[in-house]
Amino acid sequence: DVKVTQSSRYLVKRTGEKVFLECVQDMDHENMFWYRQDPGLGLRLIYFSYDVKMKEKGDIPEGYSVSREKKERFSLILESASTNQTSMYLCASSSWAGTPYEQYFGPGTRLTVT
Amino acid sequence: EDQVTQSPEALRLQEGESSSLNCSYTVSGLRGLFWYRQDPGKGPEFLFTLYSAGEEKEKERLKATLTKKESFLHITAPKPEDSATYLCAVQAGTYKYIFGTGTRLKVLA
Repeated sequence: DVKVTQSSRYLVKRTGEKVFLECVQDMDHENMFWYRQDPGLGLRLIYFSYDVKMKEKGDIPEGYSVSREKKERFSLILESASTNQTSMYLCASSSWAGTPYEQYFGPGTRLTVT
Repeated sequence: EDQVTQSPEALRLQEGESSSLNCSYTVSGLRGLFWYRQDPGKGPEFLFTLYSAGEEKEKERLKATLTKKESFLHITAPKPEDSATYLCAVQAGTYKYIFGTGTRLKVLA
């Protein structure tokens, strides 16, 4: 069973704070993704990584950065949190094995920035 | 422009009342289509992968089908525990996934 875990289910932060969201997968997947999900907008890709220390911008990278120092771990960093970053954050992973590449999601982190 | 549209946005069914959810897509190069179930406040749970037109997959009361332009998620004799949001996504590139906004299903006892 694929397992993707996220460090927090709920977070409340203040405007301007630096926020770290962590994701860990246990299936030795090469690819990891960070999305945010907002009502009516669906899932939007923030960043993804296809290998350790490799990262690529997604559709909405502004205000975010990422880090992947180990294969199983992918961190999302909000350098200076703002209220428009209040959202549900979802981490996903996928493998190169087989086509197409199914994504498996973590439980999500509901972030509120006040 | 690559796009995924799901309909209806919301659906209320009586327990046992079968129905279908629709996912229509326009992508330049379809690598695969996925269905997920998402419960409130949780991450999407993977259900099915479909790859080629004519393909069908089944799991309990759910059956997913794929044509060249759309996919259907058929729910047979649904139960209240099937209530959730069902998401459709297409893989349009190596790392490019496009998600629909989902169908919110409510099954009444």
